Amino acid sequence: EPEVTQTPSHQVTQMGQEVILRCVPISNHLYFYWYRQILGQKVEFLVSFYNNEISEKSEIFDDQFSVERPDGSNFTLKIRSTKLEDSAMYFCASSISTGAEAFFGQGTRLTVV
Amino acid sequence: DQQVKQNSPSLSVQEGRISILNCDYTNSMFDYFLWYKKYPAEGPTFLISISSIKDKNEDGRFTVFLNKSAKHLSLHIVPSQPGDSAVYFCAASGDLSGSARQLTFGSGTQLTVLP
Repeated sequence: EPEVTQTPSHQVTQMGQEVILRCVPISNHLYFYWYRQILGQKVEFLVSFYNNEISEKSEIFDDQFSVERPDGSNFTLKIRSTKLEDSAMYFCASSISTGAEAFFGQGTRLTVV
Repeated sequence: DQQVKQNSPSLSVQEGRISILNCDYTNSMFDYFLWYKKYPAEGPTFLISISSIKDKNEDGRFTVFLNKSAKHLSLHIVPSQPGDSAVYFCAASGDLSGSARQLTFGSGTQLTVLP
């Protein structure tokens, strides 16, 4: 069964460093998303991406964040200068259409120290 | 700003009985509702969805009911199995300005099915 894959599964980084979280969405999906879940809190929407551009973004997705689809298969989330409060599980998701369910990857646990 | 609320953080049910998980929403623009199941250290797994034009959707042991006037939906699992033990998230989306719909999640309910 097709699935969304994320790498790495766990990333530890020093505060102020840049990190890139990688995702390979399901191949025939057109809509891509990043969500995060801080420990003990809700899953929160960060950004959606369609047709090679950001479709929507939340207040969390400030200038420190960026997304890119560098080729036909990868979808990346970059955090330019990490802060302690960026520590969370980051989930990539994709959907085949805007009204369809989103399928999630297994997540990347980001720990900022 | 809790647009999607799951007021029960946990629920315990005996194996074979019915599990009922509840969710309330406040945003009238939501027109598509989903339930996801999540195990520790894994991503949310899609379970079942319902469009606002329906009031019930069934898939095997899982049934979702939507009461639009009360802005309430529920997930019924019958019969419950120990493997159903997980955190269940309610999520909603609406026809907002963007072309890619974001999901707004509830805080989740930890379901424990006791053997």
